[in-house]
Amino acid sequence: DSGVTQTPKHLITATGQRVTLRCSPRSGDLSVYWYQQSLDQGLQFLIHYYNGEERAKGNILERFSAQQFPDLHSELNLSSLELGDSALYFCASSVGGLPNTEAFFGQGTRLTVV
Amino acid sequence: EDQVTQSPEALRLQEGESSSLNCSYTVSGLRGLFWYRQDPGKGPEFLFTLYSAGEEKEKERLKATLTKKESFLHITAPKPEDSATYLCAVRIEIENQAGTALIFGKGTTLSVSS
Repeated sequence: DSGVTQTPKHLITATGQRVTLRCSPRSGDLSVYWYQQSLDQGLQFLIHYYNGEERAKGNILERFSAQQFPDLHSELNLSSLELGDSALYFCASSVGGLPNTEAFFGQGTRLTVV
Repeated sequence: EDQVTQSPEALRLQEGESSSLNCSYTVSGLRGLFWYRQDPGKGPEFLFTLYSAGEEKEKERLKATLTKKESFLHITAPKPEDSATYLCAVRIEIENQAGTALIFGKGTTLSVSS
């Protein structure tokens, strides 16, 4: 158990809908990262938050947004869902925002868009 | 462009048959190289961090090494429970942004049969 908790584990929704994925980082970790994993693309970096502030964005679609709350949990919001958004979404956390720290991953949310 | 390439894509071994997985990287400023293990439908599990050329880390049957251009994950006398996908990632600082990201290779899927 990495200590990173993601909910829900599975989510099935229809195209055009909006969903919210939740992540609780390890105790004491200030950084939260979101990743998308699909079969053909592998793990793709979406966004990095540190202590409530957005620090970096990767290839995140404009339909996707995230935030980190004062208690350090984070939410990833996906809207106007398309079939191609079906994937595993992972959250990871690390102690700080420094490059040389390990990131620990949650068990992921499997999103299926039908 | 920052890039991580892993080879082979898939590897089948007999129990006890040692081998190595390769991770080559092209990054503008390496801030750490990370190895993860991922079981199907699960989140990546942290294994090792390497920071500088010549560094080595060991854990049970696994040993990770780093050169200036690549890293190897050596598996000695593997067992069936070592079957998983092994992911290599490099931590980069994102240009013009304050945060960092892990850039992952697509992984090597290892199958060990008894």
